[in-house]
Amino acid sequence: KNQVEQSPQSLIILEGKNCTLQCNYTVSPFSNLRWYKQDTGRGPVSLTIMTFSENTKSNGRYTATLDADTKQSSLHITASQLSDSASYICVVTTPTNAGKSTFGDGTTLTVKP
Amino acid sequence: DTAVSQTPKYLVTQMGNDKSIKCEQNLGHDTMYWYKQDSKKFLKIMFSYNNKELIINETVPNRFSPKSPDKAHLNLHINSLELGDSAVYFCASSQGWEGRGEQYFGPGTRLTVT
Repeated sequence: KNQVEQSPQSLIILEGKNCTLQCNYTVSPFSNLRWYKQDTGRGPVSLTIMTFSENTKSNGRYTATLDADTKQSSLHITASQLSDSASYICVVTTPTNAGKSTFGDGTTLTVKP
Repeated sequence: DTAVSQTPKYLVTQMGNDKSIKCEQNLGHDTMYWYKQDSKKFLKIMFSYNNKELIINETVPNRFSPKSPDKAHLNLHINSLELGDSAVYFCASSQGWEGRGEQYFGPGTRLTVT
């Protein structure tokens, strides 16, 4: 069964610190991997999209990495801000079955002052 | 202008009722989706519509039916509501089918069934 597992489930850090969220997947074949940020009470917002050939992609203070060989991705947040407090969701898509996506359960990040 | 909008934002209703949630996108996308997010925050796709054709239908009860009057709208009808239907429902759109194009999500509709 295709799965996407994220860790940790929740994370608390102090403002200004860096953190890294993990995403391991077994989805195969692989089309792309996306990271979303979901603020409380809002819809998810796309941060990055990476295809098989991309190893890293940045969006401001967010940097996603992908190792397609080990089927691992990480999202690194630099110099965290209070507004980074949210859920971060990893989504992996296959090129088959009309592009079916498998969602991870998310990591809840809390940034404290 | 809001890219993907949903109405209503909150919906409280009793078991057994029939209700609809509306979704509109002004991005010119050709694919729209409905997702369900339960109390544990897990997002699950329910339906996708591409050019008015249903292309993905997960194991969703047939009490749920998507209706797309045109490319910019995808409404969700729910019959005989049950307690377990309480959740937040998100509409989304993209250009190209799921995964090919970046998805834009609406603000969500919080459905509470009492």
